[in-house]
Amino acid sequence: SQQGEEDPQALSIQEGENATMNCSYKTSINNLQWYRQNSGRGLVHLILIRSNEREKHSGRLRVTLDTSKKSSSLLITASRAADTASYFCATAMDTGRRALTFGSGTRLQVQP
Amino acid sequence: EAGVTQSPTHLIKTRGQQVTLRCSPISGHTSVYWYQQALGLGLQFLLWYDEGEERNRGNFPPRFSGRQFPNYSSELNVNALELEDSALYLCASSSRTGLVTEAFFGQGTRLTVV
Repeated sequence: SQQGEEDPQALSIQEGENATMNCSYKTSINNLQWYRQNSGRGLVHLILIRSNEREKHSGRLRVTLDTSKKSSSLLITASRAADTASYFCATAMDTGRRALTFGSGTRLQVQP
Repeated sequence: EAGVTQSPTHLIKTRGQQVTLRCSPISGHTSVYWYQQALGLGLQFLLWYDEGEERNRGNFPPRFSGRQFPNYSSELNVNALELEDSALYLCASSSRTGLVTEAFFGQGTRLTVV
């Protein structure tokens, strides 16, 4: 079963709007990461947030982590058509004995 | 610096055949991960190799196997192919074992089983 589940499964917005995606997970983690995938190709790492961090920024990306709720959110501000892609959260468990576990992804469509 | 490279990029096989997919990690990375992504779905973890050894395995049948070579490149073998094995197979590498940080992905191999 998937460790992470993203919500919503699909999101369609207009250019310039903000996009928010959520991720829930089930077990204790060391860190949570967000990745982007364009058109069924390889994934690109966007940002990593550690379990002792609550918020992190990178350019137009803002990630929050609530370990008490076992959830994270990814906010993309001032979206562009080029942001159209699938976004996945991935968790690294704190035992370190397992590989990254990915959620099912959110498909983001940014309309020009 | 070269990224993670996978070969071939596309492959068509017949049900019952065997296939071998290859992955070369980023130079200096010792960990290689294999994931399966069926069309429109998330990534399912297959195998994790580090320093030549299998560290962890996902919930896949034994006909999915692999190995890692001394130069840290890796192969994924799938025997007795079934139609549902059709998917994008992604390889990723990272520089650390234990607590996993950023993983770097290849562009994947698209396998179609007919």
